[in-house]
Amino acid sequence: AQKVTQAQTEISVVEKEDVTLDCVYETRDTTYYLFWYKQPPSGELVFLIRRNSFDEQNEISGRYSWNFQKSTSSFNFTITASQVVDSAVYFCALCNTGGFKTIFGAGTRLFVKA
Amino acid sequence: NAGVTQTPKFRILKIGQSMTLQCAQDMNHNYMYWYRQDPGMGLKLIYYSVGAGITDKGEVPNGYNVSRSTTEDFPLRLELAAPSQTSVYFCASSPGVGAGSTDTQYFGPGTRLTVL
Repeated sequence: AQKVTQAQTEISVVEKEDVTLDCVYETRDTTYYLFWYKQPPSGELVFLIRRNSFDEQNEISGRYSWNFQKSTSSFNFTITASQVVDSAVYFCALCNTGGFKTIFGAGTRLFVKA
Repeated sequence: NAGVTQTPKFRILKIGQSMTLQCAQDMNHNYMYWYRQDPGMGLKLIYYSVGAGITDKGEVPNGYNVSRSTTEDFPLRLELAAPSQTSVYFCASSPGVGAGSTDTQYFGPGTRLTVL
């Protein structure tokens, strides 16, 4: 069975702090995709990153970085020098190759205080 | 491109009423999806479609129906609304090329539905 666990329900930081959002997944398949989405207070879902299971290279995009470790089934997301605009709910998701069902974690709500 | 559009944005229904949530995309995507998001929870897949005329159940299909007569449109029908269907409903689409549904999904703005 597939499962995505985001153990951190809410995180609160002060602006300019670094913050890491954890994501642990379970799947029996050897090929799969992992995603991160952002849901700001306005409610829409914004795609951040897609990573396939064969690519364990870390990725950096501006203040965002992702650490994929297949050995621990984790796909963690770090925001460096957080800003108030980063306040949102962040979802990690998993989809097996060839499947049509993306499984979402429960989300982590991030509060960034000025 | 408007992307994925959903109407209405908000709706209040009485128990037992029916309604259709509209979803359209102008990106010529093959795959479309309906999700529901309950308060404080992640998204759960209701139905999906891999092309016009082809639909299939997701994780929580009970109480809903879908149809896909065109590539662009994927309406979700609620029959006999119940309070348990109070939720935010998101429609999404993905290109469906190559890796299929593992393509990035693009979401609409959501429909907030309350059943009283």
